[in-house]
Amino acid sequence: LAKTTQPISMDSYEGQEVNITCSHNNIATNDYITWYQQFPSQGPRFIIQGYKTKVTNEVASLFIPADRKSSTLSLPRVSLSDTAVYYCLVGAISSGSARQLTFGSGTQLTVLP
Amino acid sequence: NAGVMQNPRHLVRRRGQEARLRCSPMKGHSHVYWYRQLPEEGLKFMVYLQKENIIDESGMPKERFSAEFPKEGPSILRIQQVVRGDSAAYFCASSGPMSSYNEQFFGPGTRLTVL
Repeated sequence: LAKTTQPISMDSYEGQEVNITCSHNNIATNDYITWYQQFPSQGPRFIIQGYKTKVTNEVASLFIPADRKSSTLSLPRVSLSDTAVYYCLVGAISSGSARQLTFGSGTQLTVLP
Repeated sequence: NAGVMQNPRHLVRRRGQEARLRCSPMKGHSHVYWYRQLPEEGLKFMVYLQKENIIDESGMPKERFSAEFPKEGPSILRIQQVVRGDSAAYFCASSGPMSSYNEQFFGPGTRLTVL
């Protein structure tokens, strides 16, 4: 499983755009990149997943360069409630079968008023 | 459509006792995963089960820990003769048969405290 590297922590202010970058230098051809969010005392929650270029949903965007050795989670106009730990995960999709997730230490995002 | 349910939410045990953690997956999900999270750390995979089968238990400690997912009823993570180092949050996740590799739905966790 590809190892990921993220910043330990980030601070931001309400209303700003936040970009969290994840490095995954040994990503494999059939690996996807997925981000999870975890609030204190809760289980992680799926945010977004992508393979290449750009993916956007109602809460975030995911930018993946051509070499796929890194990815950036972009949160537009954060609010105080976005304060959480964000995990970048890399792994293969296997249709009809699921596998374990490998979590790193994550990035603690703190949104300040 | 209820999400993944875990109980109890908090469990206190004395050293040497047994802890039983229960997980009911989302409706229609047949894959269950257990993870352990120590304070200030990310989640660590423990075991992956389907109904009546253990698929991958590579993250389970060799002794005292066991898991099952019977044909009927919730998945159970059992810790025998608990020690203080077992104190952690234990999360269960589930996914459906056609879910992508990374799309798992997590429960609220059980916080185990060993005195």
